[in-house]
Amino acid sequence: SAVISQKPSRDICQRGTSLTIQCQVDSQVTMMFWYRQQPGQSLTLIATANQGSEATYESGFVIDKFPISRPNLTFSTLTVSNMSPEDSSIYLCSVWTSGSSYNEQFFGPGTRLTVL
Amino acid sequence: QKEVEQDPGPLSVPEGAIVSLNCTYSNSAFQYFMWYRQYSRKGPELLMYTYSSGNKEDGRFTAQVDKSSKYISLFIRDSQPSDSATYLCAMWGISGGSYIPTFGRGTSLIVHP
Repeated sequence: SAVISQKPSRDICQRGTSLTIQCQVDSQVTMMFWYRQQPGQSLTLIATANQGSEATYESGFVIDKFPISRPNLTFSTLTVSNMSPEDSSIYLCSVWTSGSSYNEQFFGPGTRLTVL
Repeated sequence: QKEVEQDPGPLSVPEGAIVSLNCTYSNSAFQYFMWYRQYSRKGPELLMYTYSSGNKEDGRFTAQVDKSSKYISLFIRDSQPSDSATYLCAMWGISGGSYIPTFGRGTSLIVHP
């Protein structure tokens, strides 16, 4: 299993500012995933972060808006840059681990962001 | 048409009822089919996943996939108030060499005593 913590748990920010969200895992993992969960919308994958290489972004998400760092195998950050009210969402970090018979996915508790 | 359709509910049932949660999808390239449970103000929790058509059972939960109809279901037997949560379905398919998920919007389930 994996235990994931995120900081901050919530924040209220002004438009035009940036917020960096931290994700810490209690075990080493190759890939870490960042998701967005907008109110009333589906959970959406933003990007995949590998240690030692640039993150891979999904359609509709770009590095300038959502820069990601992955300095080691247990930690990653997601920055939401130049925020607008449309960025108000829950941001979630996730990992997959290899179990004895199948792989498992774990999510952090999420960071609830409100942009005014 | 969205790639994954899921009725948001809420679905309200009495304790002990059998619950049926469903999703339809349009992309026949999806390969893995997953169900998550999300309690209020918590991250999603992966309940079950299947690779092919058929049934998979885990305790009170049964996942069913019908690829020919592009329809998946999650059944909860003997439902409990602690099952009250939002249930998300997700389909995983390959894009750019990696598996990428497409989630439904989630169905809110309320099990009342």
